[in-house]
Amino acid sequence: GQQLNQSPQSMFIQEGEDVSMNCTSSSIFNTWLWYKQDPGEGPVLLIALYKAGELTSNGRLTAQFGTTRKDSFLNISASIPSDVGIYFCAGPRLGSNYKLTFGKGTLLTVNP
Amino acid sequence: DADVTQTPRNRITKTGKRIMLECSQTKGHDRMYWYRQDPGLGLRLIYYSFDVKDINKGEISDGYSVSRQAQAKFSLSLESAIPNQTALYFCATSDQGQGTYNEQFFGPGTRLTVL
Repeated sequence: GQQLNQSPQSMFIQEGEDVSMNCTSSSIFNTWLWYKQDPGEGPVLLIALYKAGELTSNGRLTAQFGTTRKDSFLNISASIPSDVGIYFCAGPRLGSNYKLTFGKGTLLTVNP
Repeated sequence: DADVTQTPRNRITKTGKRIMLECSQTKGHDRMYWYRQDPGLGLRLIYYSFDVKDINKGEISDGYSVSRQAQAKFSLSLESAIPNQTALYFCATSDQGQGTYNEQFFGPGTRLTVL
């Protein structure tokens, strides 16, 4: 099936730094979702985006729905140790009957 | 209390055994899903159900079966477990309401090891 390409695959940053990651596809998506997964736990929904160009924040997290509808970006400002985890993008492709396609994730490590 | 619960959280079994993983939700959602997660492969859809009478195969349904016993319960069975079914298994739910039907909410997962 059609994949979502997430980059980078992993990031090692210092506490207090800002982080950016993105997700791209060759297909159009009508929704973009960003999840975070802590070790040993299930993914938790962080932000949902529904309109091209939309910019949405959740605390220190900000996500954008790309204007081409083929990409999305997630930024984390002033990172803290508890930001450690795997961040996934996901979305339903047009015509997919609401089934989500997931990226393979970005592993974030924050050094105190 | 968690909205989506899964039992067991961990299970070790032997090749050829029948295994059932259970999922319950209190979110009142109609749609439920089963995924498996493998390192480097991300989340892959096994089965999904849009209501009690609706069951659909996902990307990787071979070797698995499901049962939707009620709106709140969705079970995944491995009829004869094999080692390459060792993985993390997640249940998820979503609402059918307009605008938010794509937002899926995940349980804590079951770590299954098949020896």
